[in-house]
Order: sequence, then structure tokens, then C-alpha cells
Amino acid sequence: NAGVTQTPKFRVLKTGQSMTLLCAQDMNHEYMYWYRQDPGMGLRLIHYSVGEGTTAKGEVPDGYNVSRLKKQNFLLGLESAAPSQTSVYFCASRASSTYSNQPQHFGDGTRLSIL
Amino acid sequence: AQSVAQPEDQVNVAEGNPLTVKCTYSVSGNPYLFWYVQYPNRGLQFLLKYITGDNLVKGSYGFEAEFNKSQTSFHLKKPSALVSDSALYFCAVRDINTNAGKSTFGDGTTLTVKP
Repeated sequence: NAGVTQTPKFRVLKTGQSMTLLCAQDMNHEYMYWYRQDPGMGLRLIHYSVGEGTTAKGEVPDGYNVSRLKKQNFLLGLESAAPSQTSVYFCASRASSTYSNQPQHFGDGTRLSIL
Repeated sequence: AQSVAQPEDQVNVAEGNPLTVKCTYSVSGNPYLFWYVQYPNRGLQFLLKYITGDNLVKGSYGFEAEFNKSQTSFHLKKPSALVSDSALYFCAVRDINTNAGKSTFGDGTTLTVKP
């Protein structure tokens, strides 16, 4: 059981380039989340999804887009990368509202550097 | 609105001594509270949660946490620290009535256990 898998694990981009980060979960979870982790700032929610075909903005959505075309996948896109987007990105998933007391399950992150 | 505060950026303890990592929270309703641990270059791993009932909850690796409603605190504890407990610890809160079950994470506390 792989849990939450993030692809790629590392990436270096030049300013202005675009890329997509992929998150896949095999636990049949309804809810999925994208966070960024920066030193001393904990985890900040970028976007989230409460089910296939739905997305919503989190705390820091600017410069990012997301899609949830399949229940098991949640994609995070950077349209035009900026140095301020250098960070570690984490994807997480959780069972549905019926089980709202359940914890989130995290991937191991994507380390992204924008030059 | 919901928020979490971890007042200590760093906690240092000697191996074999008890450890406490502090967390205070704020929610408008009733909280679900979680502790996660993060090892280097890994995602967050769930340790324990408070849902309802007993104020003392037990979790993985010998950790426990005490819920105190009057002080709005949920401190993480372990009676005897191990060097392998050294990691970054996050407290998270979720209002049971919050939309989409979004959690708010603290900024993290780095625990260092010295031999």
C-alpha cells in the first residue's frame, strides 16, 4: 500500500517556466490538499479538493492552479514560476466528512527550486 | 476562524528525561486536535489525536498528549525521551464544523534529544 505518492521528488526551474506536480493516493480518500512548507512558517494550504471534479482555494493560492480529474490524483500547476515559489510542496489526503476526525496522510514532498 | 500556536521553536532534552512539546489552539466550536512528526526529507506522520472523551490520549512510539479545554492546550508528552525522537513536531487543529475539514497547523517545534 503506497499511500500518497508525489512526483517528482526534486526539480529545479528557471523563472517563468511552468510545471505540474502530481499527487496520487491509493486509499480512496475524498479530500486532497496541497501545502507548501517554508522554514519557520509551518504548512500553508495552497488549494484543496473535497472530491473528484472539485477544487477550492486555500490560504496562499496565487500563482498556482489545481485539477482533480480523477479521484486518486490531484495536480498542482505553476503557470509561470517565480523565485518566491521555491519551497517544499506536500500533498495530503483524508477520508470524507463521514470520518472527519481522521488524520491527513502526507506524501514525502517535492523540493522545488526556482532560479 | 481557527489557529494554533507552538510557542517554542526548539526543545532540547537529555535522553531518558521526560519531554513536553507545547501547543495551544483557538477554535470557535469544538476541536479535533492532532500531533504529527516529520523526519528529515519526509512527509508528516500522524502521532495521535484528540476527538472526545478522555483528556489523556495515547499514540505511537510512546507519545501521549493531554487535552485541557480551559487552557485551550494540547501538549505532547513522553515519559522518557529517545535520541530517535529527535524530529520536527507539528500540532494541528480542526473545528469539527469547519468547511471541508481544513486543518490549521502550527509552525512546528524542533525536538532535539541528546545522548
